[in-house]
Amino acid sequence: DSGVTQTPKHLITATGQRVTLRCSPRSGDLSVYWYQQSLDQGLQFLIQYYNGEERAKGNILERFSAQQFPDLHSELNLSSLELGDSALYFCASSPRTQTDTQYFGPGTRLTVL
Amino acid sequence: GESVGLHLPTLSVQEGDNSIINCAYSNSASDYFIWYKQESGKGPQFIIDIRSNMDKRQGQRVTVLLNKTVKHLSLQIAATQPGDSAVYFCAERYGGAQKLVFGQGTRLTINP
Repeated sequence: DSGVTQTPKHLITATGQRVTLRCSPRSGDLSVYWYQQSLDQGLQFLIQYYNGEERAKGNILERFSAQQFPDLHSELNLSSLELGDSALYFCASSPRTQTDTQYFGPGTRLTVL
Repeated sequence: GESVGLHLPTLSVQEGDNSIINCAYSNSASDYFIWYKQESGKGPQFIIDIRSNMDKRQGQRVTVLLNKTVKHLSLQIAATQPGDSAVYFCAERYGGAQKLVFGQGTRLTINP
């Protein structure tokens, strides 16, 4: 158990819908990272937040957004969902940033029908 | 549940043998490398890391070797056990950047 929690574990929805994925980092960690893992793309970095502020952006679509709240939990919002958004979404956290090891949560499996 | 791609390179080893998983990384400016293990239905789990100023680092039953000349990273697992069955990913971080760039992964299967 890494100490990172994610909810829900599974999510099934329809195209065009909007969902929110939630992540609670390890106690004391200030950085939160979101990754997408799909069958044909592997693990792809989406975005990072550090102490409430966006710190780095990867291959995140404009339909996707994230935020980190004062209690340091983070949410990833996915809107106008398409079939191709079906994937595993992982959150990771680290104490600070840059040089710290990232610890991953168990993931949320999103299925878009 | 299925958590990774279907067409991963696969390494099959006998229980008790040593395993060597290889990874070619892409950026000569990368200064930090990590190996993760991902079991089916779970998130990636940190195994061991190495900085670019080192060429070898050892952990419990695992050793990571870094060859910067050919941009190659390897993970050696000693006395492989059934619990080592998983997909193994290497990841690199470019100097100064925040994100990890993951390799495609290698599926390790253990034969009894």
